[in-house]
Amino acid sequence: ETGVTQSPTHLIKTRGQQVTLRCSSQSGHNTVSWYQQALGQGPQFIFQYYREEENGRGNFPPRFSGLQFPNYSSELNVNALELDDSALYLCASSLNHNEQFFGPGTRLTVL
Amino acid sequence: AQSVTQPDIHITVSEGASLELRCNYSYGATPYLFWYVQSPGQGLQLLLKYFSGDTLVQGIKGFEAEFKRSQSSFNLRKPSVHWSDAAEYFCAVAETDSWGKLQFGAGTQVVVTP
Repeated sequence: ETGVTQSPTHLIKTRGQQVTLRCSSQSGHNTVSWYQQALGQGPQFIFQYYREEENGRGNFPPRFSGLQFPNYSSELNVNALELDDSALYLCASSLNHNEQFFGPGTRLTVL
Repeated sequence: AQSVTQPDIHITVSEGASLELRCNYSYGATPYLFWYVQSPGQGLQLLLKYFSGDTLVQGIKGFEAEFKRSQSSFNLRKPSVHWSDAAEYFCAVAETDSWGKLQFGAGTQVVVTP
């Protein structure tokens, strides 16, 4: 059974650019949640997708958007990057809102 | 406003000694409660969770946690710490109808000394 994977591992962008982060769910999982973890802080909920539909959103601006595909993999897109977007982005998958399994994260640095 | 507080940013403990990590929450009703561990370069791993019932919850790696409604607390304990327990620990809560949307505390960094 393959766990949750995320790509890329690390990414460096400059202010104003756009970025796409990817997440492959654990086999059989239909729910994906994304979290932002700034340095020295706990993860903050960005949004969740359930069966390709957004199913809840945290306190993040619209320039944070996402997609979930029919195979339940997911993307997180961030437009107009700001310095404060530098963080570890975590993806978690689950089956029908049950226990979440987290990926190792993507470290985004915005210069 | 709903909140999760981990009062201790950093704890140093000797190998073999006991460990207790504190977590307090502020929610309208008793939420679902979780403890996660994060090691460098690793994703978050669920140690244990509390939904209802017995207030003492057993988890993986020898950890346990006790839910105290009167104190709005969910403290994590381990009787004897191993060097491999050095990591960051996060308490998290979720509303009872949406436990996929976790609210995390700021974390407690645990250092284990020989």
